[in-house]
Amino acid sequence: DGGITQSPKYLFRKEGQNVTLSCEQNLNHDAMYWYRQDPGQGLRLIYYSQIVNDFQKGDIAEGYSVSREKKESFPLTVTSAQKNPTAFYLCASSRTGEADTQYFGPGTRLTVL
Amino acid sequence: GQNIDQPTEMTATEGAIVQINCTYQTSGFNGLFWYQQHAGEAPTFLSYNVLDGLEEKGRFSSFLSRSKGYSYLLLKELQMKDSASYLCAALDSNYQLIWGAGTKLIIKP
Repeated sequence: DGGITQSPKYLFRKEGQNVTLSCEQNLNHDAMYWYRQDPGQGLRLIYYSQIVNDFQKGDIAEGYSVSREKKESFPLTVTSAQKNPTAFYLCASSRTGEADTQYFGPGTRLTVL
Repeated sequence: GQNIDQPTEMTATEGAIVQINCTYQTSGFNGLFWYQQHAGEAPTFLSYNVLDGLEEKGRFSSFLSRSKGYSYLLLKELQMKDSASYLCAALDSNYQLIWGAGTKLIIKP
C-alpha cells in the first residue's frame, strides 16, 4: 500500500533537548512538506522540499531543521531554539510542488515538558 | 496579506444539509482545496476547484467563485461520521497553500 508514515505518533521530550520526527513516503512524490498545527489556527508551513538535496524555509522555520537526502524521506528536527515546540506536526507529500494535491501522514504529537 | 476566513464552528442535524463557507485573499490564485480532519488525525483530501462553478462528488459538493474570492463546501444527507473539522486552503501564486483555521462541524442525532 502506498502512503506516508510518521513516527512516533506521540513523543515526549524535556525542554532543551533536540528531537527528530520521521516522515517516509512510498508514493514516488517529488515534493514533501512539514506543517505545524496548533489549536484554533490553520496549518503553518515549516519547511518544504521539491526535490532531493534541496529544501526551502516556510513561514515558521526558526528553531527547526530538515534534510532531504532521499526522495522517500524528509525528517524534521525540532531544536532547543524553538521557543514553543509543543504541537501536532504533520508531514505531507505531493507529486510535484505545484498544483497537486497534498497527502498527509498520520501526524506526530510532540509534548515538551 | 494573505488570509482565509471560515466559521469556527457549525452545528447540523443528521440527515440534513450544511454549507460551510470560505473566503480567501491571496497573492495570485491557483486553486482551492477542501480537506476533512477528524480529531487527532491527519487531514484527508475532499476536493479541488480552480475554475468557477460547482463540482459534485457523491454527498459532497464544492463551489468556487474566483471573482468573489469565495468557496463553499456542501454536505448532504449528513451522517454522524461527518462530525469533523473542514479545512479550506487556497494555493497562491508560488504554489504555497494558505490554510484557514478550520470549521468544526458538530452533527446531532
